[in-house]
Amino acid sequence: GENVEQHPSTLSVQEGDSAVIKCTYSDSASNYFPWYKQELGKRPQLIIDIRSNVGEKKDQRIAVTLNKTAKHFSLHITETQPEDSAVYFCAARQGGKLIFGQGTELSVKP
Amino acid sequence: DAGVIQSPRHEVTEMGQEVTLRCKPISGHDYLFWYRQTMMRGLELLIYFNNNVPIDDSGMPEDRFSAKMPNASFSTLKIQPSEPRDSAVYFCASVESGRRVTGELFFGEGSRLTVL
Repeated sequence: GENVEQHPSTLSVQEGDSAVIKCTYSDSASNYFPWYKQELGKRPQLIIDIRSNVGEKKDQRIAVTLNKTAKHFSLHITETQPEDSAVYFCAARQGGKLIFGQGTELSVKP
Repeated sequence: DAGVIQSPRHEVTEMGQEVTLRCKPISGHDYLFWYRQTMMRGLELLIYFNNNVPIDDSGMPEDRFSAKMPNASFSTLKIQPSEPRDSAVYFCASVESGRRVTGELFFGEGSRLTVL
């Protein structure tokens, strides 16, 4: 089955800096890669996603890139703000199910 | 729509007791997922249903865990007997099949289970 590895597990940046979180997946048949943000005590919520036929997608300060050959994808957050502090999860869809990475705890220091 | 509704939000029980977690998916969503979240293992998929039928339960940790979906608007996850290592946040999530391949998964608020 699908296995998703996510790095780093924790990330601390200064406000205004960029943050990058990387994920790899194992199943070449996976075709959809969302990113979820989970604030403390809250539910995970979708922030951006990318399909396997697209290499890059951007939405304001966040962007996601996908390298199908290498089976890895990344989340980029620019001009980070304290409210970006949260746990971020990558995921890969294999068939009908979504498999999540272990999560990255991002801390943005003012 | 009120979103995915889970109950209870918090449950504290003693080892050996039966625990039942409940979920009401978003109306019209025909896929329902149960996830377990812990610090050590992250978000683990336990089981998912399509049109009330269990499709993949390979993530269910052991026979103490069971899940049912008697109709399109209700699902339960039962643990019997419960053990301290079952302590976690259990999330229910749903999506509609028309957007299954690339659709957003909507999560409930979660049920935080503590087994003493």
